[in-house]
Amino acid sequence: EPEVTQTPSHQVTQMGQEVILRCVPISNHLYFYWYRQILGQKVEFLVSFYNNEISEKSEIFDDQFSVERPDGSNFTLKIRSTKLEDSAMYFCASSEEGLGGDTQYFGPGTRLTVL
Amino acid sequence: TQLLEQSPQFLSIQEGENLTVYCNSSSVFSSLQWYRQEPGEGPVLLVTVVTGGEVKKLKRLTFQFGDARKDSSLHITAAQTGDTGLYLCAGLQTGANNLFFGTGTRLTVIP
Repeated sequence: EPEVTQTPSHQVTQMGQEVILRCVPISNHLYFYWYRQILGQKVEFLVSFYNNEISEKSEIFDDQFSVERPDGSNFTLKIRSTKLEDSAMYFCASSEEGLGGDTQYFGPGTRLTVL
Repeated sequence: TQLLEQSPQFLSIQEGENLTVYCNSSSVFSSLQWYRQEPGEGPVLLVTVVTGGEVKKLKRLTFQFGDARKDSSLHITAAQTGDTGLYLCAGLQTGANNLFFGTGTRLTVIP
């Protein structure tokens, strides 16, 4: 069964450093998403991406964040200058379409630890 | 912020018992998804409900979407220890494609 994959599974970085989190969405899906989950808190939406541009973003997704689809398979989330409060699980998801009844499938996540 | 409240937050039951988890909101959703999440892993989809009043069954799990599409429930019959986990509901609003996640229900099934 097709699945969303993410690398690395765990990333440790120093405050102020740039990190890139990578995702390979399900191959025939057109919409891609990033969510994050701070330890003990709810899963929160960051950004959605369609047709090589951001379609929606939340208040969390500020100028420190960017997303890119550098080739036909990868979808990346970059944090330019990490802060302690960026420590969280980051989940990538994808869906066939962005319609109301469509289902989003999640990857296993990348645990980001900012020291 | 669209709030999806789940209740109960924690539930501990004996193997073989039945249980129901609720997901409530004051907002209308075009669809609602139920996920199960293990510690340190991503949410794994259980079901998507789209139509008001819809009922879907997945073996011992029964999912219902409220008539007004503001609430949903998950009923587990004859719980097993393998049902232990965090159950999340998440809703999509019309015209948006970002999921709003509920607060989660952590279920523990005791042998």
